[in-house]
Amino acid sequence: DAGVIQSPRHEVTEMGQEVTLRCKPISGHNSLFWYRQTMMRGLELLIYFNNNVPIDDSGMPEDRFSAKMPNASFSTLKIQPSEPRDSAVYFCASSPGSGSTDTQYFGPGTRLTVL
Amino acid sequence: AQSVAQPEDQVNVAEGNPLTVKCTYSVSGNPYLFWYVQYPNRGLQFLLKYITGDNLVKGSYGFEAEFNKSQTSFHLKKPSALVSDSALYFCAVRDKRNNDMRFGAGTRLTVKP
Repeated sequence: DAGVIQSPRHEVTEMGQEVTLRCKPISGHNSLFWYRQTMMRGLELLIYFNNNVPIDDSGMPEDRFSAKMPNASFSTLKIQPSEPRDSAVYFCASSPGSGSTDTQYFGPGTRLTVL
Repeated sequence: AQSVAQPEDQVNVAEGNPLTVKCTYSVSGNPYLFWYVQYPNRGLQFLLKYITGDNLVKGSYGFEAEFNKSQTSFHLKKPSALVSDSALYFCAVRDKRNNDMRFGAGTRLTVKP
């Protein structure tokens, strides 16, 4: 199994540009999570999907952030327009089901730098 | 809402010595507790979890954790540390009633030869 796949691994962009992060969850997993990791705030849950449907997006910082999951094997996190304070490592994770006992499996992350 | 605290930013141990990384939690219902490890420039890797049953949970790479309900703790332990165990360790808690997992701030473990 390839695990959770994220692309790109690194992204450097200028303030005001649109950024799209991509995630392919583990095949057969029903839940997908987007996290952001910074030194100041640690690991924060942004949004999660169950069976491609967004369940809780209360962690999305503001309207500049949006996430989609058009099918079971693909999700995107978009920031438009990007700002320097968005610089962080963004992780995608998936789990087999939606139960609270399910283990989440993390991708390698995308390191975003907004200049 | 549930929360988790890792009281130590950094833990240093000598190779071969036992290690403990501390975690305490707060949750209104029955907790589901997890430990993850993060190596440099990598995603989080699952180590172990407590759902129910035996309070001592064994996980990957020789790690184990003990659930203590009275002390609301879930400390991570290993009898003999390896240099390769040096990494960032995260404790996480999830309330039975929702899917929201809250992570601690992380503890950086350094094992010196």
